[in-house]
Amino acid sequence: DIQMTQSPSSLSASVGDRVTITCRASQSISSHLNWYQQKPGKAPNLLIYSASSLQSGVPLRFSGSGSGTDFTLTISSLQPEDFATYYCQQSYSTPWTFGQGTKVEIK
Amino acid sequence: EVQLVESGGGLLQPGGSLRLSCAASGFTFSSYWMHWVRQVPGKGLVWVSRINSDGSSTSYADSVKGRFTISRDNAKNTLYLQMNSLRAEDTAVYYCVRNGLSYYYYYMDVWGKGTTVTVSS
Repeated sequence: DIQMTQSPSSLSASVGDRVTITCRASQSISSHLNWYQQKPGKAPNLLIYSASSLQSGVPLRFSGSGSGTDFTLTISSLQPEDFATYYCQQSYSTPWTFGQGTKVEIK
Repeated sequence: EVQLVESGGGLLQPGGSLRLSCAASGFTFSSYWMHWVRQVPGKGLVWVSRINSDGSSTSYADSVKGRFTISRDNAKNTLYLQMNSLRAEDTAVYYCVRNGLSYYYYYMDVWGKGTTVTVSS
């Protein structure tokens, strides 16, 4: 199975900050990498697919980059509604696997 | 509106069985692969199973292989997860998820609200 490792596991940031979350795959997954946002008590929401494609309706402050084994999710200017947990997920091979999550908290 | 609504969760004893259902609406259900993903409260997301659009191909996580069966009824726009020989570690919120596809990139683009399964004696 492909292991996905996110860093950091949590971070504290202020509104307006630029936030970067990293995801590393245990083997090359090309660009088969997706990012999700999950708020407490809610289902996850797709943000980015194929490493860098913004899902319809997702604000432009979210962006993704990377290929192979190293990927990044960037929030250019953190907004109050962005405080949540973020997960990366590979769809290169079954079983699809998720990172452990990065919790973004208010500083 | 595109919607997935899970049902069938509950409290049961180890070794028991349960069938989850997911009613789909607002899109052509028969055209999409579907997944089940679970999450222990406070923990991360875990992919459980996937089925292709006509139900002819399925895939499972090792942790549920041989115990869980995914199926679908395209005439009823409904996805199922039959869960047998349940264990305490199967306790989780179970999400029904639509598979999205762009070129040859797959992703999970529509999620239900989830149904809770608790396995405890």
